[in-house]
Amino acid sequence: SQTIHQWPATLVQPVGSPLSLECTVEGTSNPNLYWYRQAAGRGLQLLFYSVGIGQISSEVPQNLSASRPQDRQFILSSKKLLLSDSGFYLCAWRPTENTEAFFGQGTRLTVV
Amino acid sequence: AQSVAQPEDQVNVAEGNPLTVKCTYSVSGNPYLFWYVQYPNRGLQFLLKYITGDNLVKGSYGFEAEFNKSQTSFHLKKPSALVSDSALYFCAVRETGYSTLTFGKGTMLLVSP
Repeated sequence: SQTIHQWPATLVQPVGSPLSLECTVEGTSNPNLYWYRQAAGRGLQLLFYSVGIGQISSEVPQNLSASRPQDRQFILSSKKLLLSDSGFYLCAWRPTENTEAFFGQGTRLTVV
Repeated sequence: AQSVAQPEDQVNVAEGNPLTVKCTYSVSGNPYLFWYVQYPNRGLQFLLKYITGDNLVKGSYGFEAEFNKSQTSFHLKKPSALVSDSALYFCAVRETGYSTLTFGKGTMLLVSP
């Protein structure tokens, strides 16, 4: 079966520190992968998406970057966190032949 | 460009009563439409989708949604609400040929005993 793993579940980081959030998908190949951020106002903002290894599309300019070093691995990074980077980060995947996306359990990031 | 509007921040309903959560969309071409539910500090769970065919689609946990092309709407419904249905509900759209989902801002559903 297909599953998505996202970790860590919670993270508290000081301002100016680096960030690395990892997402992996099992049981599929060549999925579309997505990073979303959900701020306190609860709307979902698409940050990055990838349709293949090394292919990253950025939806909004920001302090974050994404990489896809392997087919089923999607990493969200920052070199120096800002207070405004706090939020709930969600990874999602969609089989290329499917229509709906499936979400990981999310990472609650608090920058202090 | 694709967009979704959920006009209600919150919907309150008594247990046992029918519920409706509203969604309207805007796309240039044909839409794929989705409903997701989110419980506190959890990821989104897929409920149902409209791709083509029957305008009334049925999904998980007794939910259904009605696609109305003329009104560009995709309202979520359930005949009899449960307290456990209380959660945050998201409508989403993906236009055919696009890779990304666009979400509404979410509607909090509160079902009172």
